[in-house]
Amino acid sequence: QKEVEQNSGPLSVPEGAIASLNCTYSDRGSQSFFWYRQYSGKSPELIMSIYSNGDKEDGRFTAQLNKASQYVSLLIRDSQPSDSATYLCAVNSNSGYALNFGKGTSLLVTP
Amino acid sequence: DVKVTQSSRYLVKRTGEKVFLECVQDMDHENMFWYRQDPGLGLRLIYFSYDVKMKEKGDIPEGYSVSREKKERFSLILESASTNQTSMYLCASSLLPQSETQYFGPGTRLLVL
Repeated sequence: QKEVEQNSGPLSVPEGAIASLNCTYSDRGSQSFFWYRQYSGKSPELIMSIYSNGDKEDGRFTAQLNKASQYVSLLIRDSQPSDSATYLCAVNSNSGYALNFGKGTSLLVTP
Repeated sequence: DVKVTQSSRYLVKRTGEKVFLECVQDMDHENMFWYRQDPGLGLRLIYFSYDVKMKEKGDIPEGYSVSREKKERFSLILESASTNQTSMYLCASSLLPQSETQYFGPGTRLLVL
């Protein structure tokens, strides 16, 4: 069973700060990495995808990938209370079709 | 715009009933997935389908079956519902295998009494 590990949190940051969410994965062959945001009672929605080592920026969000360390992270700059949600890390599986999801990190941004 | 719909948002069934959960996508996606999500356990894959009439077991297929007669529709069937199948059920679809975003439906919260 391929593992995707996340700290469950909650991670609490003040409004305007940088939130840093981390994820490690066990399958060295993984090629595709995703961050989803899930509000309470809602379904996951994609925030970022990343496929190459390094950083990928999209607005206030930056995804970072280090395949050698099997580590992917999500930075949220200028955090807002509306960013309070659970963030799911997902990694492609060796089936070639499905994704393996972490259990998610709960983020709370306090005003 | 991407759209995945699920037949019910909330469903209450009795133990032993046969339950059908329907999922429809309008994006001409090849792949469709059924997950369940439980507190502390995260998202777990039940079944997926990469083509019409094709299906593959996921991590927790026991007690479930699926049907994909048309490309846009993927059904999850609980043959004889049990209380341990009370959960949030999420359908997703993706255009291509690997390296491709999965789009989720709104979810069905199922309660089995």
